[in-house]
Amino acid sequence: RKEVEQDPGPFNVPEGATVAFNCTYSNSASQSFFWYRQDCRKEPKLLMSVYSSGNEDGRFTAQLNRASQYISLLIRDSKLSDSATYLCVVNVGYNTDKLIFGTGTRLQVFP
Amino acid sequence: DAMVIQNPRYQVTQFGKPVTLSCSQTLNHNVMYWYQQKSSQAPKLLFHYYDKDFNNEADTPDNFQSRRPNTSFCFLDIRSPGLGDAAMYLCATSREGLAGNEQFFGPGTRLTVL
Repeated sequence: RKEVEQDPGPFNVPEGATVAFNCTYSNSASQSFFWYRQDCRKEPKLLMSVYSSGNEDGRFTAQLNRASQYISLLIRDSKLSDSATYLCVVNVGYNTDKLIFGTGTRLQVFP
Repeated sequence: DAMVIQNPRYQVTQFGKPVTLSCSQTLNHNVMYWYQQKSSQAPKLLFHYYDKDFNNEADTPDNFQSRRPNTSFCFLDIRSPGLGDAAMYLCATSREGLAGNEQFFGPGTRLTVL
């Protein structure tokens, strides 16, 4: 089993659609969870951290289910500019800064 | 603006010809990382430094070496590049201590091996 697994997509959605991405991780000792966004041929950039209570930033909502070792990202009212690859990222284990990246889910928003 | 800078942005080398990639940061972060990312794959950690303490990943080939002469600079040396080493190389930094800390990435160096 991969340490971080994501559906690679692509997800092709029209502007204004709601889209959800899922991710599972294998290390139950992981404490930190993130969604990064990576545009084509660019570096990853932090989209949002994921907290146990769930968190929202504008059109983006992240959820964490520790029991199921599952993370989700919901994007509402998709914009053309949301087209990118979304990387699920988890720290390697207890009290470490090392991160493991998923291979990413590609989103393409069309007019 | 505080940032992570990588030079060069694009590097072309010949098979077997040593190459050095550089990274500098103005964030004053004590942790620095080197990742390799191939097309449609996840960034793969090669090694990282806590201050001057070097931490190599078990599956990083010996062909890859690193130096960190001071807090601001970190270098990736590829001693004998092979065709399979063509990739984007990403440098990142973070502040140690809290596992929840964000990693800040440089723009990457895209390496081509001829």
